[in-house]
Amino acid sequence: AQSVTQLGSHVSVSEGALVLLRCNYSSSVPPYLFWYVQYPNQGLQLLLKYTSAATLVKGINGFEAEFKKSETSFHLTKPSAHMSDAAEYFCAVRGGTGFQKLVFGTGTRLLVSP
Amino acid sequence: NAGVTQTPKFRVLKTGQSMTLLCAQDMNHEYMYWYRQDPGMGLRLIHYSVGEGTTAKGEVPDGYNVSRLKKQNFLLGLESAAPSQTSVYFCASTYEGRGSTDTQYFGPGTRLTVL
Repeated sequence: AQSVTQLGSHVSVSEGALVLLRCNYSSSVPPYLFWYVQYPNQGLQLLLKYTSAATLVKGINGFEAEFKKSETSFHLTKPSAHMSDAAEYFCAVRGGTGFQKLVFGTGTRLLVSP
Repeated sequence: NAGVTQTPKFRVLKTGQSMTLLCAQDMNHEYMYWYRQDPGMGLRLIHYSVGEGTTAKGEVPDGYNVSRLKKQNFLLGLESAAPSQTSVYFCASTYEGRGSTDTQYFGPGTRLTVL
């Protein structure tokens, strides 16, 4: 079975500071990993996804994530936070090929202060 | 191209009442999903469908029923609402070819309160 753990339900950064949101996964097969973002009162939208093509994945809005198999991690980073990055971020895992359901983490709320 | 739409956006029910949430997608996706989102628990899968006329249970199916009579629509029903079903409900869809890593596209959500 697949699972993800997001460390920290809330992360606070200052505008311009580095953003680091942590995600560790568990999967019995090579995983496909996703980061989604949810802005207030909206649905989720995809930030980026790892599908085994490259371990460093670049997404929208300047975010990127690195797949580290040895650490079973897929942390999300952005070099410089912007006020508009304030949102909730979800890591998700899907295992193997064929149809597999997505399993979501509990989410991390990013707060950005001026 | 509207993507995934959900009706209604908000609803307040009394315990024991029934209602149906409608999800529609115009992307010709095969797979559709219903999730609920509760604080501190992330998204949990209620039911899903891998094609027209098919449905399957997800992680938390009790108290809900679904139907997929048309490929573009996925209905979520609550026969007898309970306060524990107060939540935000999201519908999603994906093309989901064999071995696909397709993105799930989400609707804007329905905020349901059961009194």
